[in-house]
Amino acid sequence: DAMVIQNPRYQVTQFGKPVTLSCSQTLNHNVMYWYQQKSSQAPKLLFHYYDKDFNNEADTPDNFQSRRPNTSFCFLDIRSPGLGDAAMYLCATSRVRALEQYFGPGTRLTVT
Amino acid sequence: EDQVTQSPEALRLQEGESSSLNCSYTVSGLRGLFWYRQDPGKGPEFLFTLYSAGEEKEKERLKATLTKKESFLHITAPKPEDSATYLCAVQSPKKGKLIFGQGTTLQVKP
Repeated sequence: DAMVIQNPRYQVTQFGKPVTLSCSQTLNHNVMYWYQQKSSQAPKLLFHYYDKDFNNEADTPDNFQSRRPNTSFCFLDIRSPGLGDAAMYLCATSRVRALEQYFGPGTRLTVT
Repeated sequence: EDQVTQSPEALRLQEGESSSLNCSYTVSGLRGLFWYRQDPGKGPEFLFTLYSAGEEKEKERLKATLTKKESFLHITAPKPEDSATYLCAVQSPKKGKLIFGQGTTLQVKP
């Protein structure tokens, strides 16, 4: 089945220790998104790639970076995680920007 | 400003008790309204896309409808497995992204 895969499902990191979350997709979609979701809140868009074109949200902290080496993979790098970065990180894809997005299962990040 | 408001925040139903969830939206030039289901600790699961007023979509016990100002997700004879948070989102032409509501958490008791 075509899908969006996120690894790992659970990640524990220490305060200030860089961490990378990964996302892969078999849908062959052009657009890949990264969202942050905290408890009982709606997903918050961090950035997205349309093919290789990177689009950052204005309020995304500089601490968050992303890479998309090819169509299938996208990475979220958190350079110096703080306690406030503990959240569920969701990857999503869509064929084009205006169409429905398909989400992965998420990575739960804990910062100790 | 583009905005989505969902009500109620939480809804408790008995199994078999039909009800509706509301999603009110303000957007300049609707390009799509999306319904998602999210189970605890999981990513949102896509349910429906609605594009124009009067459109309806159905899937099992769920039916989504759209007017110019709001969308409803009707749940007919719900079962405990329908318990989840239901998210509504609109595509914002101005912001170029999905604007999510805060969600309605549905609990269906046997």
